[in-house]
Amino acid sequence: DVKVTQSSRYLVKRTGEKVFLECVQDMDHENMFWYRQDPGLGLRLIYFSYDVKMKEKGDIPEGYSVSREKKERFSLILESASTNQTSMYLCASKGNVDYYGYTFGSGTRLTVV
Amino acid sequence: AQSVTQLDSHVSVSEGTPVLLRCNYSSSYSPSLFWYVQHPNKGLQLLLKYTSAATLVKGINGFEAEFKKSETSFHLTKPSAHMSDAAEYFCVVIKTGGGNKLTFGTGTQLKVEL
Repeated sequence: DVKVTQSSRYLVKRTGEKVFLECVQDMDHENMFWYRQDPGLGLRLIYFSYDVKMKEKGDIPEGYSVSREKKERFSLILESASTNQTSMYLCASKGNVDYYGYTFGSGTRLTVV
Repeated sequence: AQSVTQLDSHVSVSEGTPVLLRCNYSSSYSPSLFWYVQHPNKGLQLLLKYTSAATLVKGINGFEAEFKKSETSFHLTKPSAHMSDAAEYFCVVIKTGGGNKLTFGTGTQLKVEL
């Protein structure tokens, strides 16, 4: 089975810190996605990547950047964390062969204090 | 642009009674639709998917959904609720284009009471 691993389950960071959220998948998927999940808002797409070094903005990219230097790893970066970025962050991946084959990680709950 | 609207943020049912979670979609052509479930402190799990084959789609754990083009709906149903069904449910559409991104509804919290 495809596995998507997010390195931290819980993180607590201070306002203004630079924060890295890491996501690794083990099935050679071309596409990777970062979502944030907030109560009453569902999941909203922050950024996605369809190939190494390729990235596109999602619906709410402000305050975030991403990095994809290797196919298996997709990093979400909060350049200067703010309290309104306190949220659950979910990573997903999908190959090009299976149009419907999305796999999600278990999430990172980030608290910015 | 493709989007989904979940009509109820919270639904409460008694164990053994039917479940209905409502979802309407907006799309200029035939969409691909999913239902996902998220149990407390767990990851997202795919319940079922509609991919323009049969309009009645059967999923896991006794859930099913019917695609109704005339009503632009994709409601999720289950004949008899179980306590273990208590979770948050998301209706999702594939936003076609670069990356074929998933667009989520705002979620429905299902509560199952004894």
